[in-house]
Parts: sequence; structure tokens; C-alpha cells
Amino acid sequence: DTGVSQDPRHKITKRGQNVTFRCDPISEHNRLYWYRQTLGQGPEFLTYFQNEAQLEKSRLLSDRFSAERPKGSFSTLEIQRTEQGDSAMYLCASSLVTQGYNEQFFGPGTRLTVL
Amino acid sequence: AQSVAQPEDQVNVAEGNPLTVKCTYSVSGNPYLFWYVQYPNRGLQFLLKYITGDNLVKGSYGFEAEFNKSQTSFHLKKPSALVSDSALYFCAVRVPSGSARQLTFGSGTQLTVLP
Repeated sequence: DTGVSQDPRHKITKRGQNVTFRCDPISEHNRLYWYRQTLGQGPEFLTYFQNEAQLEKSRLLSDRFSAERPKGSFSTLEIQRTEQGDSAMYLCASSLVTQGYNEQFFGPGTRLTVL
Repeated sequence: AQSVAQPEDQVNVAEGNPLTVKCTYSVSGNPYLFWYVQYPNRGLQFLLKYITGDNLVKGSYGFEAEFNKSQTSFHLKKPSALVSDSALYFCAVRVPSGSARQLTFGSGTQLTVLP
């Protein structure tokens, strides 16, 4: 499968614990995005990388959230001291930026439940 | 700031009938517009995009959408609905330049095709 993959698919944690999610983009895609989707809503942008550089962060991304893409390939999203309001589906997407615009391809998501 | 409105939370249509899922947008400048579909427990799948050129764009699975600049709309259409088209549909917008590289999504429309 050459699509975007995310791990784990589901995560249940207790409030106050730290969690980390991984995203593997489509090979050679240079741009990687993180979105959050809550029930009944469309995805909301969190942050994106071009290669290893984090170029933009949403105001939704509080200081408890951190994302990395150390080698310009896979990315991790860490949430520290989780809160019940962090419960959501976390989606990763990737795209290849060349001349013109190429669409974003999404992974299956990681569903986080904070008890 | 860019925004997308999907005025209908739910659309029901009989199999074989034409379907329309509505989307209006607000953005400064010329928009890039997208439709994605989401099946249960899966990520978003790209259907089609409007970047420039012909206002009628054709996409995957027989779907098409018409860009209407004066009405700031980008409605999704299909001439003959299938039961398998039942899913959650999201419209999204992006500006072609500037710092806002992310997609802004609408809240989604649940399409149900009745046999």
C-alpha cells in the first residue's frame, strides 16, 4: 500500500497522560499536514511541514501539542497532559508540491479517546 | 479569512435519481476548491478539484462539480446516484498564495442514497 499510513488507528488514554501518533506520508511527498476532526465537524488544520521545516501552526495547537518531522519523511504528533477535549480523530495528509497545486492525500486517522 | 458553508447536514436521494450536495465559500481572491468523501472509520478520499479553467470539473466515481464565481458556490453533482455513494461529503477551499497553505473544510453533508 503506497498511501498515507497512521499509527495507531485507535488510542484510549487517561486524562493527564501523554500520547504520540505517527504518520508516514506517501513516499517523496514533501509536504505533510496534521488536522483534527471532531464528531460532526470537518477537519481543522493544526500544522504543516515542508520537508523537515514546520512552516505554520494553527491557534488550535496549544503548547501541549508538538509535532516533528525530523528527516523530512515520517512525522509524529505528541499531546502532553491530555484533556477530555482532546478526544478527536487526528488526520495526517501529504502532498507533492511542484509547479501548480497538487491535492492532499489523507491517511485513515488516529482516533483518540481521553477518559 | 477563508470559510466554507455546507448548508445541508443531510441529503437523501433515491437510487438512480440525480444528486446535488451544496457548498458555498468565502475567500479573498481566486479560490482552489475541493470535494472529499469520507466513509465510516476511514480517512478522506479526494473526489475532484477546481483550480482554474472550465467551470465544470469532473472527478472520481462519476461525480462532477460546477464552480460559480458570482454565487461563490461549488456544488457537487452526480446524474444518477448509487447506494454505494452513501457517505459523508466535505467541501474545502484554499487560497492559491500566501501563508494559508491548509485546506479549510465545511462541516460536511451526510448523503444517504435509498434503494
